[in-house]
Amino acid sequence: QSALTQPASVSGSPGQSITISCTGTSSDVGGYNYVSWYQQHPGKAPKLMIYDVSNRPSGVSNRFSGSKSGNTASLTISGLQAEDEADYYCSSYTSSSTYVFGTGTRVTVL
Amino acid sequence: QVQLVQSGAEVKKPGASVKVSCKASGSAFTSYDINWVRQATGQGLEWMGWMNPNSGNTGYAQKFQGRVTMTRNTSISTAYMELSSLRSEDTAVYYCASERHLNFDYWGQGTLVTVSS
Repeated sequence: QSALTQPASVSGSPGQSITISCTGTSSDVGGYNYVSWYQQHPGKAPKLMIYDVSNRPSGVSNRFSGSKSGNTASLTISGLQAEDEADYYCSSYTSSSTYVFGTGTRVTVL
Repeated sequence: QVQLVQSGAEVKKPGASVKVSCKASGSAFTSYDINWVRQATGQGLEWMGWMNPNSGNTGYAQKFQGRVTMTRNTSISTAYMELSSLRSEDTAVYYCASERHLNFDYWGQGTLVTVSS
């Protein structure tokens, strides 16, 4: 199972919006609405930010939103803040009853 | 709310085995699956497998088949991940994570496993 493809880095100024893509195949992202997104600050465990493509867990800012089209899922962060600077990973359930993560995206707040 | 607390860092020699524990609290241990994910230094997340604490059923990523074993002790709400035939490439932080609806909602703090001669 190959990792899902994400851009290595995305940057934006405070207050701007950025979007991170996550491209897979019809056997994972395209085949199921079980895409989730995780935020990871340096030296910390990942934190669930979005589940089931577009749902936010309780306590996660509504500046984070998710969507999917075909084999590509996306995470959008609006009103970018300094605290959003972190690594972001997508994940998908697969047709093999396994999970696969994305390659990861470093978000930099300029 | 689930809290997952993992065992401490380990240093192992090549060829040895390591067993990492993950103690759960805050919610019924048998109400969610426990998954294991690892991350080599400076690298991305890699899914290793899952275990259902209620049944003991497991599922492993093909890459780790034959080398990984996931077990549990329900009396102390603790899950275990044992990885054998360690090599230098297995040096990583290993995380346990709870999973209820096909996403990983709570994570342990991570356990650094270093494989070095």
